[in-house]
Amino acid sequence: DGGITQSPKYLFRKEGQNVTLSCEQNLNHDAMYWYRQDPGQGLRLIYYSQIVNDFQKGDIAEGYSVSREKKESFPLTVTSAQKNPTAFYLCATGVAGELFFGEGSRLTVL
Amino acid sequence: KQEVTQIPAALSVPEGENLVLNCSFTDSAIYNLQWFRQDPGKGLTSLLLIQSSQREQTSGRLNASLDKSSGRSTLYIAASQPGDSATYLCAVRPRNNDMRFGAGTRLTVKP
Repeated sequence: DGGITQSPKYLFRKEGQNVTLSCEQNLNHDAMYWYRQDPGQGLRLIYYSQIVNDFQKGDIAEGYSVSREKKESFPLTVTSAQKNPTAFYLCATGVAGELFFGEGSRLTVL
Repeated sequence: KQEVTQIPAALSVPEGENLVLNCSFTDSAIYNLQWFRQDPGKGLTSLLLIQSSQREQTSGRLNASLDKSSGRSTLYIAASQPGDSATYLCAVRPRNNDMRFGAGTRLTVKP
């Protein structure tokens, strides 16, 4: 199947732990994005990558890190430095100015 | 900085009604505008993409219009059905920049 796969769908983390969210795509899109969604707010950009081995900070990059070693993969690490990590995280790819989203990963900090 | 607003935040209509969802943005210098649908706990599904040079796009019962000069877009849903119940988000791409999202309109279509 073609598309964007995010895993895990649900993740629980204790305070002080780092966690990594996976995003894999087989659409052959160059651009990949990570967004955070909180209730009642629009999506906010965490990081984006236009090409392999290059990525840029978005509006709320503090406490997060990413890598882009392969075109197909753009994992997001939520570090212990992120003060309020409980949220719904969405990965997207982009081509010709259009965005396509995965199913999301819900992270809860206990 | 581009700001995107969607009003109302929630809307409830009876089945069969035609309805309009509104999206406004503060800077008319945009590359495109995209409408999405989001079901609870799910990702976003792209509905329509309007390029800055276009006035409207249609897909089935959906029609989206774009008026850059006034900073507005509308999503028209004809003959609404209970399956249309979802949150609808609009997003604007400023020139050479990432998408800016509205907070969405939560639509409920009652049988």
